[in-house]
Amino acid sequence: RKEVEQDPGPFNVPEGATVAFNCTYSNSASQSFFWYRQDCRKEPKLLMSVYSSGNEDGRFTAQLNRASQYISLLIRDSKLSDSATYLCAVSASGTYKYIFGTGTRLKVLA
Amino acid sequence: NAGVTQTPKFQVLKTGQSMTLQCAQDMNHEYMSWYRQDPGMGLRLIHYSVGAGITDQGEVPNGYNVSRSTTEDFPLRLLSAAPSQTSVYFCASSLRGPKLYNQPQHFGDGTRLSIL
Repeated sequence: RKEVEQDPGPFNVPEGATVAFNCTYSNSASQSFFWYRQDCRKEPKLLMSVYSSGNEDGRFTAQLNRASQYISLLIRDSKLSDSATYLCAVSASGTYKYIFGTGTRLKVLA
Repeated sequence: NAGVTQTPKFQVLKTGQSMTLQCAQDMNHEYMSWYRQDPGMGLRLIHYSVGAGITDQGEVPNGYNVSRSTTEDFPLRLLSAAPSQTSVYFCASSLRGPKLYNQPQHFGDGTRLSIL
């Protein structure tokens, strides 16, 4: 089993739709969680950290479910410009490595 | 504030050649890392450093060397390039690294490397 897993997609959604992605992790000692956005042929850019109580940044909501060991990203009112690959990253206390998922591709259609 | 700067952006090498990919950050970050990204494989950690003078291997270190003589710079050396090293390489840094809570990484814009 991979340490961090994501559904590769693509998720094809119409403009204005709400879409959610999950990212599961296997290490129960994981303490920090992040969502990154990566456009084609570009570097990953930090979208948001994920906090235990959940957090929101505009149309984006991130949540953590420690019992089931997954994080989620919800995008409301999707825009064409949201089309990208979304990567999750996890780090565990006492380790020196970030573990990335392979990403979920989102296409927002006009 | 430049953030994480990688050079070159593109490079073509012949098999057996050596080269150094440069990475510099101006944010006084302790932690720096190198990844390669291949289609369907995601980001794979090559080497990382938790501070000047300290480096360690990641998931795919073979064929690569690193050094960290200063806080700012973390060059990646390909010793004898092979076609299997054709990839996109990203350097990243974070203030204190993954051992502490909520220390996200910031990425350079990558180096596209082709080995013929």
